[in-house]
This record gives sequence, structure tokens and C-alpha cells, in this order.
Amino acid sequence: DTGVSQDPRHKITKRGQNVTFRCDPISEHNRLYWYRQTLGQGPEFLTYFQNEAQLEKSRLLSDRFSAERPKGSFSTLEIQRTEQGDSAMYLCASSIRFDAVNEQFFGPGTRLTVL
Amino acid sequence: LAKTTQPISMDSYEGQEVNITCSHNNIATNDYITWYQQFPSQGPRFIIQGYKTKVTNEVASLFIPADRKSSTLSLPRVSLSDTAVYYCLVGASYNTDKLIFGTGTRLQVFP
Repeated sequence: DTGVSQDPRHKITKRGQNVTFRCDPISEHNRLYWYRQTLGQGPEFLTYFQNEAQLEKSRLLSDRFSAERPKGSFSTLEIQRTEQGDSAMYLCASSIRFDAVNEQFFGPGTRLTVL
Repeated sequence: LAKTTQPISMDSYEGQEVNITCSHNNIATNDYITWYQQFPSQGPRFIIQGYKTKVTNEVASLFIPADRKSSTLSLPRVSLSDTAVYYCLVGASYNTDKLIFGTGTRLQVFP
């Protein structure tokens, strides 16, 4: 399968713990995005990278959140001192830009539950 | 980015054509209209994108009137597997990298 993969698929943690998620994009895609989705809502943009450069961060990305994409390949999203409000599905997407079509390919997501 | 309005939910039966309309009154000249589909416990999937008139692919058709203030996603002969949430997004594709999702339309297809 050459799609976007995310690991782990599910994570249960206690409030105050740190968690890290990994995303492996489609290999030739230079752009990588992170979104968060809560129940009944559409995904919300968090941040995106072009190669290894983080080009935009949402206001949703508090200082407890950090994302990296070393070497422009896989990416990690870390949440420090988790809170119950961080419980959500964290989605990763990747894309490569051709013409005017901005088609993003999403992974299956990591479902985080903070107890 | 232009705000979109679409019905919260729709019901249909297998074999019927489903049309989901999205309103985007404040669409800008450079904005494109894009639709994504999302199944439970999966990430969204790109369906179709258009700028004006009609676009068709193997999955759906997208109808955009001349004023571009609305658009209609048409799914021909739906099946049970088309039960999903459908999102309408509007943005300038060439310089907008983040996707802004609304709450979408939950389509339920019955046998």
C-alpha cells in the first residue's frame, strides 16, 4: 500500500502525559499536513510542511504541540502535557502540487483518548 | 476563505441520484470548489474539483452556475457504500494549502 500511513492508530493516555504520533506521506509528495477532527465536526487544519520547512501553523497549535519533518520525509506530531480537550482524531495528509488542483491524500488517522 | 453552507444530512435509497448543494455566496474570483468524502474512522478523500460550469469524473459530477455562488455535487445511482459525510470546500487552489472543512453533509443511503 503506497498511501499515507499513520502510527499508532489508537492511543490512550492519562492527562499530563506526552504523546507522539508519526505520519509517513506518499513518497514523492513534498507537502505534508496535520489536521485534528473531533466528533461531528470536519477536520481542522493544524500545520503544514513543504519538504522540511514548516510553513504555517494554526492558532489551534498551542505551545504544547510541536511538529517536525526532518529530512522532508516522515513527520511527527508531539503533544506535551496532554489535556482531556486534546482527545480527537489526528489526521495527516500529503500532496504534490500540479496546476491548480490541491488534492490532499489523507491517512487513516490516530485516535487519541486522554483520560 | 469563503464560508460554505450545506445541508446537515440527506437520505436516499440505492439506485437514486443524489444532489448535494453547497452555498458559497462570498466566493472570490480565484476560488475553486472542491468536494471531499469521508467514511467513518477514515480520513477524507478527494472527490472532485471545479471552477465553473460542469466537471465530471468517474465518481461524480459537479455543477457550478455562472454566478458561482453555489455548486451541486451529483452522485449517480448511489449504493450503500456511498453512505458518508460529504464536505464542500472553497479556496484559491493555487495559493491555499490548508483545507477549511465545514461540518459537511451526512448522506445515508438505504437499501
